[in-house]
Amino acid sequence: KQEVTQIPAALSVPEGENLVLNCSFTDSAIYNLQWFRQDPGKGLTSLLLIQSSQREQTSGRLNASLDKSSGRSTLYIAASQPGDSATYLCAVRSRPRGSQGNLIFGKGTKLSVKP
Amino acid sequence: DARVTQTPRHKVTEMGQEVTMRCQPILGHNTVFWYRQTMMQGLELLAYFRNRAPLDDSGMPKDRFSAEMPDATLATLKIQPSEPRDSAVYFCASGLGQGAIDEKLFFGSGTQLSVL
Repeated sequence: KQEVTQIPAALSVPEGENLVLNCSFTDSAIYNLQWFRQDPGKGLTSLLLIQSSQREQTSGRLNASLDKSSGRSTLYIAASQPGDSATYLCAVRSRPRGSQGNLIFGKGTKLSVKP
Repeated sequence: DARVTQTPRHKVTEMGQEVTMRCQPILGHNTVFWYRQTMMQGLELLAYFRNRAPLDDSGMPKDRFSAEMPDATLATLKIQPSEPRDSAVYFCASGLGQGAIDEKLFFGSGTQLSVL
């Protein structure tokens, strides 16, 4: 059974700092991995999607990497801003095993960027 | 601006009452997911539809929960009878399904359910 773990559960950094959020998964047989952002009381917004054949994706100040063999992904945020404060969730789309694949989520890392 | 629409945004009800949550997926998307989010469990998949057919509802308590897609523009999640432990935020998400070039999941804003 696929399990997704995110460490740390919470992180507080001063504005301007570069930071890394970690995600690990137990089953390396995945279709893709997504990073989402969730603001308090809101839904999830997809930030980056990495296909299983890719190693990284970049969007602005965000860079996500994927090491499928070791079951790890990182989300790198450069020059953090207070507006980056949110919960970041990692999710993997697992290959089907007798059923269609679905997204398995980690519990997220709550990021707080202090001005 | 295409988005997944969920109604109602908030629902407070008493134990034993029926609750119906609705979702309008993004036009053209062929997969629909229902997720439940709680502090303790995080996001859990309840049901998954592809081309309106239910493919996986193993995460859903079948004795009280039911999920349907009457047509391609509407997905419903019903709880009958509701219990206090059902209190959570219920999210609907839609996507283009596996094999699409740019496969991402788009989430609605959720229905916050409180069962008293």
